[in-house]
Amino acid sequence: GAVVSQHPSRVICKSGTSVKIECRSLDFQATTMFWYRQFPKQSLMLMATSNEGSKATYEQGVEKDKFLINHASLTLSTLTVTSAHPEDSSFYICSAIHDRLTDTQYFGPGTRLTVL
Amino acid sequence: AQSVSQHNHHVILSEAASLELGCNYSYGGTVNLFWYVQYPGQHLQLLLKYFSGDPLVKGIKGFEAEFIKSKFSFNLRKPSVQWSDTAEYFCAVSKSFMNRDDKIIFGKGTRLHILP
Repeated sequence: GAVVSQHPSRVICKSGTSVKIECRSLDFQATTMFWYRQFPKQSLMLMATSNEGSKATYEQGVEKDKFLINHASLTLSTLTVTSAHPEDSSFYICSAIHDRLTDTQYFGPGTRLTVL
Repeated sequence: AQSVSQHNHHVILSEAASLELGCNYSYGGTVNLFWYVQYPGQHLQLLLKYFSGDPLVKGIKGFEAEFIKSKFSFNLRKPSVQWSDTAEYFCAVSKSFMNRDDKIIFGKGTRLHILP
C-alpha cells in the first residue's frame, strides 16, 4: 500500500529558530501533498496544498512567510516553520495524493513540534 | 462551500454494542466520501471510501457506510464493536473530479471509547 513518512517525528526547538519537517511518499509519486495542523481534541486544519513544481496554496489565515512549503519533487515536500514561537507548538501532519481523481489521501505519522 | 458535520463528538459503548456515527455534508454536486480512523498514538488511516456505484460501502475491520444522497449523509456503522475499535473517526468529503484548487474537507471527528 501507499506509505507516507515524516521526519522528524518529534522536535523541540527554542523560540526564534526555524524547523524543517519533511514529508515523503515512499512507494508512489505524489502529485499533490497537503499539510495539516492538528490541535488537541480537534480536527485536522488544512494549512496548505502543495503541488509539485509550483507554489503552495495556503488556506485563509495561514501565514505563507511563516510556514514555507517546498514541493521540489514528486516524492518530497517540506514544511519550514520560520522564527518559531510557542504558539506554533502543535502536531503537523502531511498527506499525499497519487491521483486527484481517486482522491485517496495517504497520511504521514505526523510531527510533534514543541517550541520552548 | 463544502462542509462536513459529525454530530457525535464523543461516543462511549460497551463491547458487542452496535455502532452508528453520523456524518452529513453540504455540497450540491457529486462528491467523494471518506471515513478515516486514528487509533491512539497512530496516524490517520483510510477506513473506507465512496466514489460511485453501490451506496453501501464495506471497509476494513467490519465497518461499513451508507451514502444516502437525499439526506446528504454518509453514516458509519459496525454491528458489533470491539475494544480495539477505540479511536477517533473522521468523515471527509471532496468534490468528484477535483481541480487543482479543490480540497478534501474533514469533519471535527468523533472520539469512540469502547468499554471492555
